[in-house]
Amino acid sequence: QLQLQESGPGLVKPSETLSLTCTVSGGSISSSRYFWGWIRQPPGKGLEWIESVYYTATTYYNPSLKSRVTISVDTSKNQFSLKLSSVTAADTAVYYCARHLPITIFGVVRMGTAFDIWGQGTMVTVSS
Amino acid sequence: QSALTQPASVSGSPGQSITISCTGTSSDVGNYNFVSWFQQHPGKAPKLIIFDVSNRPSGVSNRFSGSKSGNTASLTISGLQAEDEADYFCSSYTSSVTLGVFGGGTKLTVL
Repeated sequence: QLQLQESGPGLVKPSETLSLTCTVSGGSISSSRYFWGWIRQPPGKGLEWIESVYYTATTYYNPSLKSRVTISVDTSKNQFSLKLSSVTAADTAVYYCARHLPITIFGVVRMGTAFDIWGQGTMVTVSS
Repeated sequence: QSALTQPASVSGSPGQSITISCTGTSSDVGNYNFVSWFQQHPGKAPKLIIFDVSNRPSGVSNRFSGSKSGNTASLTISGLQAEDEADYFCSSYTSSVTLGVFGGGTKLTVL
């Protein structure tokens, strides 16, 4: 059974870089035709997609965060990671990693939003 | 402000049916059948309950159903149970640069 687990610091200082890792168990991150992504949820608010990577290593970013985020994959460890730079209090949120399903439009594979397997989430607070 | 519009709250009594709407535009809900719905209990990760407008993942109760008309997708929960009390979010593929959008969420209260 596929499982995802987030890890990383729960407290980050303003202007620093938030770094989180998602460890995938029960399946290989590189052998399946899935997307692997990060979603966040500020306290009491809705969900926001941050970034994703396809099994081909192609990356996708939310334009509103693109200048500050990077996603990387370590297939040897079956992990993918998020780095969010220059954080402010507005980046305080629960961060989830999740697997999501591809969609096909006119024969072209696109990033869908059917996030079918989620990690438990990790709370990150930005504060000095 | 979320890209997809959902009512902030809905409520219903046990055994009743309720419907939650999710309104987008022709760039997302209106032109693509790639709407998903998620259920989130307090302190828990969201759970996928509907994908591609009306498909249920394995293990999801058939009391949950999805549909779409024009720019609005809908989630219907029939035979309401106390355990259905949760937040519900919709999402959709979008042809805009955003690639994927979520609704703001709807809190379902079972009276």
